[in-house]
Amino acid sequence: QKEVEQDPGPLSVPEGAIVSLNCTYSNSAFQYFMWYRQYSRKGPELLMYTYSSGNKEDGRFTAQVDKSSKYISLFIRDSQPSDSATYLCAMNPIQGAQKLVFGQGTRLTINP
Amino acid sequence: DSGVTQTPKHLITATGQRVTLRCSPRSGDLSVYWYQQSLDQGLQFLIQYYNGEERAKGNILERFSAQQFPDLHSELNLSSLELGDSALYFCASSAMTSGGRGEQFFGPGTRLTVL
Repeated sequence: QKEVEQDPGPLSVPEGAIVSLNCTYSNSAFQYFMWYRQYSRKGPELLMYTYSSGNKEDGRFTAQVDKSSKYISLFIRDSQPSDSATYLCAMNPIQGAQKLVFGQGTRLTINP
Repeated sequence: DSGVTQTPKHLITATGQRVTLRCSPRSGDLSVYWYQQSLDQGLQFLIQYYNGEERAKGNILERFSAQQFPDLHSELNLSSLELGDSALYFCASSAMTSGGRGEQFFGPGTRLTVL
């Protein structure tokens, strides 16, 4: 079983829809949680960074962490075609140290 | 643009050969990470260097090695290449200071094709 599980999709929604992306994990030591966006043939771009449980909002993006359920989510409001990309969740147990453990990534397409 | 640079962008070589991938971290970042991304395995951590010293190792093959130089740039050396080594190789950097949040910023990657 992988440490981090993420539905690879693909996920296709109409423009303007609310998108929900999710990851589950098994290692209770994970404390820092990130979402990266990766366009085709590009490097991952950091979108959201959260510590422990709770919500964090940045513009149209909201990240949620529920450590009791070992479940994290990324919500995208008013989705745009430019949001079409692969979204990767990532996590690590110690701030700034060692490896990030990534989910498989969810491929998202926003249809105009 | 993350500020992390990687060269070359593309590399095509034959089995059994050796290649070197280069990474320059963001200005001021002391920590460099190497990751491999393949279709079946996703993004996998290979190795981390901090200020010239190896800090952490992932599932890096013995045929692979890395180093970080005094100017903080890093090189990943892949030898005795096999078809299965074909992948995207990413470098990331972070500040990793006591006051920093430790986010990792990724470069554009090097696409390695082994024929």
